[in-house]
Amino acid sequence: QVQLQESGPGLVKPSETLSLTCSVSGGSISSSSYSWGWIRQPPGKGLEWLGNIYDVGRTYYNPSLKSRLTISADTSKNQLSLKLRSVTAADTALYYCARYSAVVGVKFFDYWGPGTLVTVSS
Amino acid sequence: AIQMTQSPSSLSASVGDRVTITCRPSQGIGDDLSWYQQKPGKAPHLLIYAASSLRSGVPSRFSGSASDTDFTLTISSLQPEDFATYYCLQDYNYLWTFGQGTTVEIK
Repeated sequence: QVQLQESGPGLVKPSETLSLTCSVSGGSISSSSYSWGWIRQPPGKGLEWLGNIYDVGRTYYNPSLKSRLTISADTSKNQLSLKLRSVTAADTALYYCARYSAVVGVKFFDYWGPGTLVTVSS
Repeated sequence: AIQMTQSPSSLSASVGDRVTITCRPSQGIGDDLSWYQQKPGKAPHLLIYAASSLRSGVPSRFSGSASDTDFTLTISSLQPEDFATYYCLQDYNYLWTFGQGTTVEIK
C-alpha cells in the first residue's frame, strides 16, 4: 500500500520561501509508471494543481506559479520536495502530494497524502 | 491553459435522488478527465478516470460520461455517504486543471 506524508513548517513569513517534503512509502518514486504531484487548497476553497515531476527530473508547473516554484525528488530518501519562493498570504493553503498514474489511458491521482497546512503570516 | 467550468457550484439533494455534475473544458481534452470526491478534512478520493472508467472499489452508482463538449458525473441514487464536494480534473498535455468543485448538500 502506497502511503504519502507531507511535512514542513506550518508558518512561513511573507516574502520567504515555503519548503515542504513528501515522504513516500510502499513504492518507489523512481518508477516510470508514475509521476508525483503537488496540489494545494486554500481554506474553504477549491483544489489547485501546482506541478508534477516525472522520471525524477522532468517537471511540469502551473503557469501561474512557474516563476516561483521548484519541485524536485531525492531517490535515496524516496522523497519529493516543493519550494515556493516569495510567498504571500495568498499562498496560505493545505498542501497535498499525490501519486499520478502516467500510463496512457490510465491517468489519475490515485494516492494522496493527508495534507499539511501552511499559513503565511508575519 | 485549459479552463474547466464546473457546474453547479452547489446543490441540495435528498437520499435516493439522481445527481448530475458537469465540467466543460475550454478546449478539447480527449478523455483525459477524472473525477474526485472530497469530504471535509480529508484528501480527495478518485472515483472516475478516462472520463467514464470506474475505479475499482467505487460503488456502481457513480458513473462518468462525455459528450462533444461536456463531461458528466452522475450519482444514480444518492446515499448518505455521498454528501461531499466533487471535483473534475483535466490532465491534457501535461497541464492539469481542476474544476471549481460542486458541493452536494442534504436537502
